[in-house]
Formats: sequence, structure tokens, C-alpha cells
Amino acid sequence: GAVVSQHPSRVICKSGTSVKIECRSLDFQATTMFWYRQFPKKSLMLMATSNEGSKATYEQGVEKDKFLINHASLTLSTLTVTSAHPEDSSFYICSARDPAGVGNTQYFGPGTRLTVL
Amino acid sequence: EDKVVQSPLSLVVHEGDTVTLNCSYEVTNFRSLLWYKQEKKAPTFLFMLTSSGIEKKSGRLSSILDKKELSSILNITATQTGDSAIYLCAHGSGNTGKLIFGQGTTLQVKP
Repeated sequence: GAVVSQHPSRVICKSGTSVKIECRSLDFQATTMFWYRQFPKKSLMLMATSNEGSKATYEQGVEKDKFLINHASLTLSTLTVTSAHPEDSSFYICSARDPAGVGNTQYFGPGTRLTVL
Repeated sequence: EDKVVQSPLSLVVHEGDTVTLNCSYEVTNFRSLLWYKQEKKAPTFLFMLTSSGIEKKSGRLSSILDKKELSSILNITATQTGDSAIYLCAHGSGNTGKLIFGQGTTLQVKP
């Protein structure tokens, strides 16, 4: 199957700083990528849909000014957590939709563990 | 608002047992129902069920979609410790492609 990478895999930062997480589709072009947040032993919560060349679509309750999403190319989407606070600590996972795939085939990145001190 | 609900939330079995995981959905326009397995990192795709493909099987795993009952089950026979994971069910929207996940079922298989 297709491969999606995320960088970094783990980041620890101080409260008030901003953190950027990259999501790349390695062997296919993804016009649509998705960002999820996952708390320990909980399911994935969709945060936003990232569309190449246009503004992201945020789910209800997700602050767009807090979680900045940029989908600059067909293989790269970035999520920036601005002015991070301890409550932003979580596991962030991206996925990329393969337009050549069947139906809603999405491939997930390995996730980024964010810890805000 | 579309909703996906899984049960049970957690389950502990012994190797060799058969388990059935449940997923029910309330959506305005059903497109597809997907099952994923998540171990330590990213979810890995198991099955996709649609109106034209309501039963899938792969090895010891199988899944059935019941459109009348708005639900799906994931069966795992002869469980192994390697089956221990979180099993996620999601509804896939055809238009936007976004997935709405259920809460997940944490399965622990003891030796």
C-alpha cells in the first residue's frame, strides 16, 4: 500500500511555543489530507480536512487559529500548533487520501506524540 | 450529525477464543463502513464494506454489514496474542472522503 510519513515522531516543547508537524505522501499525490487527534486509549477525532491549494475545513469545536493547516503541495500538509499549552499534549495523526484508491482509501501516517510542558 | 458507536469498549479473551466486535452507525447518507486495526502507531486498514460488498473475509478475520440494522460486526476466530490492538470502525463519506470513527474497541488476547 501507499506510504505516508510524519515528522517529527515525537516532540516535547515548552508552553507558549509553536510546533510544526509535517505529513507527506511518499509515493502518491494526495489532493486531500486529514488531521486527527487521539487521546490515550481513545479513538481518532477528526480535526480538519486539508485541501491542496485551498483553505482547510475544520470540524466543529476545533480552533483554526490554534491549529494552522497548510497544504502547500500535493505531497505535503503541515499542522502548526500555535502557542501550545499542556492540554494540547496528544497524539496527532495525519492521513492521505489516494485518489487512485478504491472508495475512501486513506493511508495513515505513524503519528506524532506532542508533549507540552 | 453523523455518529458511529462501537461495543464493547474493551474486551479480554484467551488465545483460541472467537470474538465479535460491534459497530453501529447513524448517518445521513451511508457510503462505506471501514474497519482498522491500531497497535502502537498508525491504524492499518482491514476492510471496507459498501452496499455492493457487504461481506469481507481475510484469514481469521471477517466482517459483515447489515444495512437494515445499520450495523457491522468484525469477527476474529482462533485469536492470537498478536490480535491485541484497538479496533476502529469508521463511516466514510463519499463526497468529502472524511472518516468518522467510533470510540474503538480495545482487545486484549491473553496467552
